[in-house]
Amino acid sequence: DAGVIQSPRHEVTEMGQEVTLRCKPISGHDYLFWYRQTMMRGLELLIYFNNNVPIDDSGMPEDRFSAKMPNASFSTLKIQPSEPRDSAVYFCASSFGLMGTGELFFGEGSRLTVL
Amino acid sequence: AQKITQTQPGMFVQEKEAVTLDCTYDTSDPSYGLFWYKQPSSGEMIFLIYQGSYDQQNATEGRYSLNFQKARKSANLVISASQLGDSAMYFCAMRGTDSWGKLQFGAGTQVVVTP
Repeated sequence: DAGVIQSPRHEVTEMGQEVTLRCKPISGHDYLFWYRQTMMRGLELLIYFNNNVPIDDSGMPEDRFSAKMPNASFSTLKIQPSEPRDSAVYFCASSFGLMGTGELFFGEGSRLTVL
Repeated sequence: AQKITQTQPGMFVQEKEAVTLDCTYDTSDPSYGLFWYKQPSSGEMIFLIYQGSYDQQNATEGRYSLNFQKARKSANLVISASQLGDSAMYFCAMRGTDSWGKLQFGAGTQVVVTP
């Protein structure tokens, strides 16, 4: 079975540009998570969805960030306008439920560089 | 609030030796789950092992075992018979009942296995 698929794998953009990161979760998984990883702050949870509905977006840094999940097989994380401090690796993860193990399956990440 | 602490930024271990990675946590939740993930240089996050707070036995998965000491709030990962492919960053993570969807990660420990 295919894992979590993220695109693009790498993105280099200039400050002020809009960035859209995409994620396809594992089929059948009902939870989807967006994480950001930086050297300074480690892995931070930005937002997570359950059955396509955002449950907790308290980790979204500011209004420049938005996330959507229009259906069970697709989610986007958008940054508009982008800033150099947004440079990071953005991970999408999905899980089937949360009880018991409920481990998260991660995509390979999208490395964003904002110049 | 929950907190995960990994005090070892990096470790060297010789091939075939065992290595213990420290993880302490702080939570007021009566029920919680503890996880370990591996992140090789290629960047993906790989789930290794899970321990529930009410599990009587320490979790084991192949060469990985979790030394769970609930009273001390520690969940150390033991890797037995280290292999060169074990060289990676290792993250301890937890989630609690007050925010079961929020898997919070520690800062990580870089492990380098030498021949």
